[in-house]
Amino acid sequence: ETGVTQSPTHLIKTRGQQVTLRCSSQSGHNTVSWYQQALGQGPQFIFQYYREEENGRGNFPPRFSGLQFPNYSSELNVNALELDDSALYLCASSPGGAGVPSTDTQYFGPGTRLTVL
Amino acid sequence: AQRVTQPEKLLSVFKGAPVELKCNYSYSGSPELFWYVQYSRQRLQLLLRHISRESIKGFTADLNKGETSFHLKKPFAQEEDSAMYYCAPSPGGSNYKLTFGKGTLLTVNP
Repeated sequence: ETGVTQSPTHLIKTRGQQVTLRCSSQSGHNTVSWYQQALGQGPQFIFQYYREEENGRGNFPPRFSGLQFPNYSSELNVNALELDDSALYLCASSPGGAGVPSTDTQYFGPGTRLTVL
Repeated sequence: AQRVTQPEKLLSVFKGAPVELKCNYSYSGSPELFWYVQYSRQRLQLLLRHISRESIKGFTADLNKGETSFHLKKPFAQEEDSAMYYCAPSPGGSNYKLTFGKGTLLTVNP
């Protein structure tokens, strides 16, 4: 069973640029959540995707957007990067039921470290 | 507003000593409660969730709804327990957003 994978591992961008981060969910999981973890802080919820639809969003501006694909992999896109966007971005997947998003444990990927200069 | 407080940023104990990592939450409804752990150079992983009432690696956590606390305990700490611990409530139902605390870095000294 393959765990959650994320790419790239590290990324350096400049202010104003756009970035796309990728996540492959664990086999059999149809729910993907994204979190932002700033240095010294706990992860903060960005949004969750279930069966290609957004299912809940945290307190992040619209320039943070996402996608989930039919194979349940997911992308996080951030436009107009700001210095404060520098953080570790975590993706987590969980198994879902037939009609509702997962109520189970979230399995985390290793994260993508984004640095905005 | 949903809020999670882990009052100790750092906690240091000696091997064999009891350990308690505190977590207080302010959450509407009946949240589900989780503890996640991150060992050095490893990814964040679930340690335990209150609904399962399991003891994982000797850790237990008691939900006190009156005090809105979910403290993590272990009677005899081991060196391999050294890690960052996060308390994380979730609204439950069809919304499994986790609200993480800032974490407590536990160091178990030999």
